[in-house]
Amino acid sequence: DAKTTQPPSMDCAEGRAANLPCNHSTISGNEYVYWYRQIHSQGPQYIIHGLKNNETNEMASLIITEDRKSSTLILPHATLRDTAVYYCIVRVYNNNDMRFGAGTRLTVKP
Amino acid sequence: KAGVTQTPRYLIKTRGQQVTLSCSPISGHRSVSWYQQTPGQGLQFLFEYFSETQRNKGNFPGRFSGRQFSNSRSEMNVSTLELGDSALYLCASTPDRAITDTQYFGPGTRLTVL
Repeated sequence: DAKTTQPPSMDCAEGRAANLPCNHSTISGNEYVYWYRQIHSQGPQYIIHGLKNNETNEMASLIITEDRKSSTLILPHATLRDTAVYYCIVRVYNNNDMRFGAGTRLTVKP
Repeated sequence: KAGVTQTPRYLIKTRGQQVTLSCSPISGHRSVSWYQQTPGQGLQFLFEYFSETQRNKGNFPGRFSGRQFSNSRSEMNVSTLELGDSALYLCASTPDRAITDTQYFGPGTRLTVL
């Protein structure tokens, strides 16, 4: 799977949008972009995924650039409970051989 | 539906011992994958089981093994434990891949090897 690069940490004010960037410049045509988050001492939680179109669900929005070399996860109204480590990974659909890197530690502040 | 459950949640073993971890997937999910998470290496894929057969395997030594039962419950075993095996072991289940391959993770088993 292609490697991703994320900033190690970010802060966000409660109620504001949190925009988490991810670079995946070597992504292949058949690889999807997935986002997970992990709250301390819990298992990773699936957030959203996409191939090339922007996606939105009840948790977040995913914006993928036209060249697919980068993406942004948007939490529209961050709450304190969104404080977690966010992982961006790229993987071929149905390939469970996922490797999470260090991710971005998002801290939502009151 | 109940989520993925893993037992035990915490485990302390000594070097040379063996350990068995258990995972019960979400009802109806047929695929179970195992991962090891450490501060240094991040989360790494161990293996995946589907219909009682290992379908995919990561790059771990043969001391790490697993199996899946007819009810989709899975176990993983680590023999001859080493200090470096101390980690959070996560199990994830997936429903029918024809529908989605989203993985749902359990809370993990934290293994400490002394």
